[in-house]
Amino acid sequence: SQTIHQWPATLVQPVGSPLSLECTVEGTSNPNLYWYRQAAGRGLQLLFYSVGIGQISSEVPQNLSASRPQDRQFILSSKKLLLSDSGFYLCAWSEWAGGDTQYFGPGTRLTVL
Amino acid sequence: RKEVEQDPGPFNVPEGATVAFNCTYSNSASQSFFWYRQDCRKEPKLLMSVYSSGNEDGRFTAQLNRASQYISLLIRDSKLSDSATYLCVVNGGRAGRRALTFGSGTRLQVQP
Repeated sequence: SQTIHQWPATLVQPVGSPLSLECTVEGTSNPNLYWYRQAAGRGLQLLFYSVGIGQISSEVPQNLSASRPQDRQFILSSKKLLLSDSGFYLCAWSEWAGGDTQYFGPGTRLTVL
Repeated sequence: RKEVEQDPGPFNVPEGATVAFNCTYSNSASQSFFWYRQDCRKEPKLLMSVYSSGNEDGRFTAQLNRASQYISLLIRDSKLSDSATYLCVVNGGRAGRRALTFGSGTRLQVQP
């Protein structure tokens, strides 16, 4: 069966520090991968999605970036965090040639101070 | 106009009650529809897909009205464990067909 992992689970970082969040998927090949952010009390905002290694689409202008160095690995990064980057970061996957259902990892709760 | 609109609630209902949530979406090209459930401080989890003919999964019934671009979720015989935020989700939107657009969610609190 497929599983999706994210780490770290929680993170507290100072403003201006770098960020690296990792997501890995097991049990499937060539998944579509997604990064979302959920601010406190708000809905999910799609940040990036990827349909293959090295292929990244950005949905909103921001100081975050994403990379997909391996088929089942998706990384979210920032060179300098802002206070507004605080939130709940969720990685999700869907079948490449299947339906549109997305399955979420457990998320990373980021607090920028 | 938001791409997916939901009443944020909260809906406070007693155990055993029937409760209905509604959702409207703006993209007439959407083809896939879902309800997700999100517990406090947890990731969203798929509750059920929504099919054109309507579908039922135990105590949960989902309906789709394409002409009105309207989706509903009915929960019968509410349990305490049903307390959560319910997210209405459609495919398509600005990010393309495979992207999902999430509503902000409707919070349900089932009380003993």
